[in-house]
Amino acid sequence: DIQMTQSPSTLSASVGDRVTITCRASQSISSWLAWYQQKPGKAPKLLIYKASSLESGVPSRFSGSGSGTEFTLTISSLQPDDFATYYCQQYNSLWTFGQGTKVEIK
Amino acid sequence: EVQLVESGGGLVQPGGSLRLSCAASGFTFSSYWMHWVRQAPGKGLVWVSRINSDGSSTSYADSVKGRFTISRDNAKNTLYLQMNSLRAEDTAVYYCARARRATGLYYFDYWGQGTLVTVSS
Repeated sequence: DIQMTQSPSTLSASVGDRVTITCRASQSISSWLAWYQQKPGKAPKLLIYKASSLESGVPSRFSGSGSGTEFTLTISSLQPDDFATYYCQQYNSLWTFGQGTKVEIK
Repeated sequence: EVQLVESGGGLVQPGGSLRLSCAASGFTFSSYWMHWVRQAPGKGLVWVSRINSDGSSTSYADSVKGRFTISRDNAKNTLYLQMNSLRAEDTAVYYCARARRATGLYYFDYWGQGTLVTVSS
C-alpha cells in the first residue's frame, strides 16, 4: 500500500502569508495526486488534481507542484476563507490520503 | 448542479448491520465511478470502497473487506453501502464521492455532506 505523509500537521499563519504544505508518497505516484480542503463539519472540496491542475472555480492563489514522491500545495496569499484542513490524496494505486494539515490563525 | 445526499446513518450495536444510501442528481449517474470515504471523529479521511459505472467491478479497503458491500442502482441514481459485522472502529462520518478521470486515473470531484455511523453498545 502507498502511504502519504503530510507536513506540517499544523501550521499557524496570518492573512496575507505565503503558505506551503508538503506531501510525500512512500513510492512514486507519477503526478497522480490531488489536494482537498475541508472545513469543520463540511465535506472535502477538490482544489488540485494531477499534482498541478487547478479545479474550475478554485482561486488562483492555490497552486500545486511536484511529481514522483514529493509534492507541495502553496497558497500565495492566505485569505480568511482559507483557514481549514488540507489533505493530499494519491490515486495511482487505489486511493490513500495524507493525515491532513490544519492551517490555523496565528 | 451536482448533488450527492447520503442517508441511513445512525447508532448500531457492535456486530450489527446498517445500509447507507447516496442519492445522486444533477449528472448522468450511470456514467461515473462512485466511492465511499469515511472520517472517524477528529481524524483524517480514509477511502473505503469504489464501484465502477455499471456496477460490475468493486474494490475495498482491507479494513472492511468481507464485511462491507458497495452496490448501485443506476435506474434510481443511488449508491449503497451495506455494512455488516460492524465494529467500534467503524464509527465515522461516511461520505459518498463522485470519481472523475481527466487524462488518466480517478480522483474525487464532488462529495456528499456525509452521514454519521456510530457503533456502540
